[in-house]
Amino acid sequence: AQKVTQAQTEISVVEKEDVTLDCVYETRDTTYYLFWYKQPPSGELVFLIRRNSFDEQNEISGRYSWNFQKSTSSFNFTITASQVVDSAVYFCALSEVLTTRMKTSYDKVIFGPGTSLSVIP
Amino acid sequence: NAGVTQTPKFQVLKTGQSMTLQCAQDMNHNSMYWYRQDPGMGLRLIYYSASEGTTDKGEVPNGYNVSRLNKREFSLRLESAAPSQTSVYFCASSDTGGTGELFFGEGSRLTVL
Repeated sequence: AQKVTQAQTEISVVEKEDVTLDCVYETRDTTYYLFWYKQPPSGELVFLIRRNSFDEQNEISGRYSWNFQKSTSSFNFTITASQVVDSAVYFCALSEVLTTRMKTSYDKVIFGPGTSLSVIP
Repeated sequence: NAGVTQTPKFQVLKTGQSMTLQCAQDMNHNSMYWYRQDPGMGLRLIYYSASEGTTDKGEVPNGYNVSRLNKREFSLRLESAAPSQTSVYFCASSDTGGTGELFFGEGSRLTVL
């Protein structure tokens, strides 16, 4: 069965430090999708990035970067020069492939337990 | 720009009472989802609907029923609420199933006494 593990329950860093949030996943599928979402203290869920299993290129978006390594089943998220506004709970998620005789779909999205990041000024 | 709308935002129930959480999206998405969020557990999938007329169990379906009334609406029903169902419930939708971004509602906080 598919599973997403985020071993870091809570992390505290001082502003401007770099921080990496770990995500390890389990799946027997060869095709799957991975995601990161952010949940700030206000409670809404914000999509950050999607990666499919065939694209192992690392991605950078401003201060955010993602390192996808199929060999270790990891999809880690790094925030460079952290800011107070980065304080939030971050969730890693995996899209499960469901195959029937009629079609293959990816509708079941499973989340990890989340990592609570506190950035201290 | 309503997006995904959930009602009610807050609800207090007594054990054994029933209630329905309503969810509607105006983005013409095919897939809709119900999650519950509990401290330390992340978001756990209760039920999902890949398209109008279909529903499937997620990770924690026991004690819940769902209805995909039409393409816009996906409701979650608690027939006999239990304290273990105290949680924050999120509805989400996606136009590409599980391959793309999920759009979430604001959440519904349910307390069962």
